Amino acid sequence: AQSVTQLGSHVSVSEGALVLLRCNYSSSVPPYLFWYVQYPNQGLQLLLKYTSAATLVKGINGFEAEFKKSETSFHLTKPSAHMSDAAEYFCAVSDGYSSASKIIFGSGTRLSIRP
Amino acid sequence: EADIYQTPRYLVIGTGKKITLECSQTMGHDKMYWYQQDPGMELHLIHYSYGVNSTEKGDLSSESTVSRIRTEHFPLTLESARPSHTSQYLCASSEADRADQPQHFGDGTRLSIL
Repeated sequence: AQSVTQLGSHVSVSEGALVLLRCNYSSSVPPYLFWYVQYPNQGLQLLLKYTSAATLVKGINGFEAEFKKSETSFHLTKPSAHMSDAAEYFCAVSDGYSSASKIIFGSGTRLSIRP
Repeated sequence: EADIYQTPRYLVIGTGKKITLECSQTMGHDKMYWYQQDPGMELHLIHYSYGVNSTEKGDLSSESTVSRIRTEHFPLTLESARPSHTSQYLCASSEADRADQPQHFGDGTRLSIL
């Protein structure tokens, strides 16, 4: 069964520093991968998705993620953190390729930004 | 911009009451989902639907029930609320015909059972 593992339930960085949120998936076949962000008292918003078109995926708000098949990883990065980036981030994978597939979410990483 | 709406946003209610959480979307999506999420925790899929008259139980067992009489509407009902039902409930939808389509989420209902 498909699953994703997010390393680190809480990451804290200084404003202006590099943001790196880690995600590993469990599959020998490249699935569809997603990163979502959840701000307090809101639902999840899509940041970016990987669908095999390109290994480096650019998303909204300056975030990007690189798909590395050899490492089964899909880490999320942003060169310079902003206070508004403080939120919960979820990595997710599609559990198949058919229209009946569901999305499996990781346990989330809370990102805090220090002034 | 996703158009999926959940009401109420917050609900505090006593034990034993019947509750219906509303979810509506205007995007014409066939797939809809309900997730349960405790504060700061992961999402657990409790119900999903592939279209009208289709409902399935998710990965997490739930005492709630759902119905899908119209494409745009996917309400969740608790017949008799208990304190263990206290949580946040998120509704989502997606296009049905492709697995690479992301889910669009509502802002959630935060439910507290006294």
